[in-house]
Amino acid sequence: KAGVTQTPRYLIKTRGQQVTLSCSPISGHRSVSWYQQTPGQGLQFLFEYFSETQRNKGNFPGRFSGRQFSNSRSEMNVSTLELGDSALYLCASSKRGTGGDTQYFGPGTRLTVL
Amino acid sequence: AQSVTQPDIHITVSEGASLELRCNYSYGATPYLFWYVQSPGQGLQLLLKYFSGDTLVQGIKGFEAEFKRSQSSFNLRKPSVHWSDAAEYFCAVGAEGSARQLTFGSGTQLTVLP
Repeated sequence: KAGVTQTPRYLIKTRGQQVTLSCSPISGHRSVSWYQQTPGQGLQFLFEYFSETQRNKGNFPGRFSGRQFSNSRSEMNVSTLELGDSALYLCASSKRGTGGDTQYFGPGTRLTVL
Repeated sequence: AQSVTQPDIHITVSEGASLELRCNYSYGATPYLFWYVQSPGQGLQLLLKYFSGDTLVQGIKGFEAEFKRSQSSFNLRKPSVHWSDAAEYFCAVGAEGSARQLTFGSGTQLTVLP
C-alpha cells in the first residue's frame, strides 16, 4: 500500500507570495493533519481535517489555512509568506480519525522563503 | 496542555552498545505516547506507540519503550545499536482523547560511532 505522498517536495518562494502544498493520504485514510518543522520551534501541529471539516487547529496565524476534498486529499495554503515560514511541512494521515488512531507521516515539503 | 521533554539534545554511542533515549511528558490522564525517527531530509517513521495495557511496548527495528506513570516517562531503548540507527528521534504525546494532535519533544540526535 502506498504511503502518504506530498507535492511538491521542494519549493522556493519570495516574501509576500502565497503557496499551496498538497497531501494525498494513505488509501482508505480519512483524517489528515499538518505539522510545521523548523529548527527553532521544532515540530508544531497546524491543523487536522476529517471528512472535509477542520477539527482542530494549532496556534498559527490566519495566514495558514487548509482544506480537505471528498477523496480525503488535503491542501494547505500560506498567504503573504514571511521569512519565518521557511520550514519542512509534514502531512500525516490516519484511518478513522478517532481516539487511538495512529498517524503515518509523509516525506514533507521543504519550503524556502527568500 | 500537554508537554514533552527530551533532555538529551545529542547522544553519541558506539556501534553495538546499548541505547536509552529519555522522554518525560506532562499530561493529566493516561496519554497516547509515541516515538518517531527522522532521517535527514525525510519524514517521520513510527517506531512504537503506547495507548494502554502492557507498559513495555515493542517496536520496529529492535526498539522498545517502557511507560512509567509514576515517573511520567516513556524512555526508548535498544540493546545493540547499528550504524543505520543514526538519526533524530522524537517523542510525542497525543492531545486529550486524540492520537492525532501530537505535541512533540525537541528531539534527540543520535550519532553512532564505528
